[in-house]
Amino acid sequence: AQSVSQHNHHVILSEAASLELGCNYSYGGTVNLFWYVQYPGQHLQLLLKYFSGDPLVKGIKGFEAEFIKSKFSFNLRKPSVQWSDTAEYFCAVLIYNTDKLIFGTGTRLQVFP
Amino acid sequence: SAVISQKPSRDICQRGTSLTIQCQVDSQVTMMFWYRQQPGQSLTLIATANQGSEATYESGFVIDKFPISRPNLTFSTLTVSNMSPEDSSIYLCSVENRGGNEQFFGPGTRLTVL
Repeated sequence: AQSVSQHNHHVILSEAASLELGCNYSYGGTVNLFWYVQYPGQHLQLLLKYFSGDPLVKGIKGFEAEFIKSKFSFNLRKPSVQWSDTAEYFCAVLIYNTDKLIFGTGTRLQVFP
Repeated sequence: SAVISQKPSRDICQRGTSLTIQCQVDSQVTMMFWYRQQPGQSLTLIATANQGSEATYESGFVIDKFPISRPNLTFSTLTVSNMSPEDSSIYLCSVENRGGNEQFFGPGTRLTVL
């Protein structure tokens, strides 16, 4: 069965530190890739997405992610985090030509001033 | 993107009762989805609801426990039946865009079963 792995369950950083959250998926075919963010008390929002083309995609709030097909990875990065980035981050994979969105287990990010 | 609302936003229910959650979208959509997010866990797809047909349930979810209605292209309901404390979760609906390659999520319904 297809699955999505997020290896970092809980990350604690100080402001201005760099961030990289890992995401790997298990499916050999074409996929669409997403990162969603859930701020405390708010609903799930799309941070960025990859469908095709340039494997380095830029999202909102200075986030970016790189799709590495050979590694089945779609890691999320931000060069300098802010306290307001404290949230839960979910990687998700949509198998091409299906409607099934598969989520990773999520990474809780805490940023301290 | 679509604007999605859910009612209720939260509820506390007694064991053995049922709760119906409503999901309203501001535009017509073909595909609607219902997810569960148990405490400390990720989102799990419960079922896919197309207008005019029976919902399609994922492994581990059955219609008797989670009946779904989809009366039109902007509305759906999910009922959590005969609730137990294990049903305490956030229930979210989502819709798919016209291209079929992106989903937008509602704010969720936080359910606590005592």
